[in-house]
Amino acid sequence: EDQVTQSPEALRLQEGESSSLNCSYTVSGLRGLFWYRQDPGKGPEFLFTLYSAGEEKEKERLKATLTKKESFLHITAPKPEDSATYLCATRYNTDKLIFGTGTRLQVFP
Amino acid sequence: DTEVTQTPKHLVMGMTNKKSLKCEQHMGHRAMYWYKQKAKKPPELMFVYSYEKLSINESVPSRFSPECPNSSLLNLHLHALQPEDSALYLCASSQEGGGAFGYTFGSGTRLTVV
Repeated sequence: EDQVTQSPEALRLQEGESSSLNCSYTVSGLRGLFWYRQDPGKGPEFLFTLYSAGEEKEKERLKATLTKKESFLHITAPKPEDSATYLCATRYNTDKLIFGTGTRLQVFP
Repeated sequence: DTEVTQTPKHLVMGMTNKKSLKCEQHMGHRAMYWYKQKAKKPPELMFVYSYEKLSINESVPSRFSPECPNSSLLNLHLHALQPEDSALYLCASSQEGGGAFGYTFGSGTRLTVV
């Protein structure tokens, strides 16, 4: 069965302290890896789609990269408003989007 | 319009009630989805509609009944639910294969079964 594993489960950062979140996925047949941000009680908010190894996408303080077996979400100089749960999700040969367990990020001033 | 709209935002229902959740999108997306999310867990897929036809049912109990009246609307009919069905129910839509803009999610319906 296709698997998506995220680490760490939770991350506490000081404002300005850069870090990376990891997403490992089943390699065979990948047709898209997606990053989402989710605030408590709200729906996931789309951040990035990555399709092939070596691909990179950036948005403000966030940068997503994809290798042959994992994806990283790099957060540069985070601010308290970046606090949220970050979800990685994968799509294979169907419309099914499979989510990882997420990383709960807290950024303290 | 780049949103998925879900109604109601909150719903409390008894175990013998019948209720419906509604979802609407006007982005021309051809696929629509229902997800269930429990607290501190990731969203779990329930149903997928592709071109208004049910394409994936993730072995969801029959007390949940999806309906796609047209390409913009998706309903989830609820009947004889259990307290453990209490969760955030999310609707999403997408272009072919998710596309460069991914899957667009609504804000969800917070369902409480009493």
